[in-house]
Amino acid sequence: QVQLQESGPGLVKPSGTLSLTCAVSGGSISSSNWWSWVRQPPGKGLEWIGQIYQSGGTNYNPSLKNRVTISVDKSENQLSLKLSSVTAADTAIYYCARNWGKGFNMWGQGTMVIVSS
Amino acid sequence: QSALTQPASVSGSPGQSITISCTGTTSDVGGYNFVSWYQQHPGKAPKLMIYDVSNRPSGVSDRFSGSKSGNTASLTISGLQAEDEADYYCSSYTNTISYVFGTGTKVTVL
Repeated sequence: QVQLQESGPGLVKPSGTLSLTCAVSGGSISSSNWWSWVRQPPGKGLEWIGQIYQSGGTNYNPSLKNRVTISVDKSENQLSLKLSSVTAADTAIYYCARNWGKGFNMWGQGTMVIVSS
Repeated sequence: QSALTQPASVSGSPGQSITISCTGTTSDVGGYNFVSWYQQHPGKAPKLMIYDVSNRPSGVSDRFSGSKSGNTASLTISGLQAEDEADYYCSSYTNTISYVFGTGTKVTVL
């Protein structure tokens, strides 16, 4: 049973870079073609951030693409998210998810990131 | 890309059926049969309930069904149960090789 676990700093300063990792356990990251990051501000809805193919190709949310980088490390069986020039609006729970067709069938538990000085 | 439009709340009594709508455009919902639906209980990660408009993943109750007409997709929950009380989000693939989620609907079981 594949499981996903997000990790990273829970507090990031404004104008800084948010960096998160998603560890895939119970299976290979190569078992799925695509993996995504999704976020959810407190009390609000879901927002798709972007996706990465197991070989490294990426697609990003047009509204975030200038600030987002998603990468994959097959040797470590994990994917990473970097979001630069963060503001309070980037405060959210960040989830990694496994794409399944054009849906997301497996999610990590999420990690809360607060942007504050 | 703008979020897909969902009603803020829907309610029903146990045993009843409810339907949640999800309205987009020809660039997303109307252009592809790639609408999915997610159930999210408080403090939990979303759970995939429907994919590709009307398909249920293994393990999801057949009380959940999906459909689409034009730019609007729908999720129907029949035989409403207390455990169905949660937030529900739709999602669609888009013409910019991305995904957009709906605004979310809070389902209350009376």
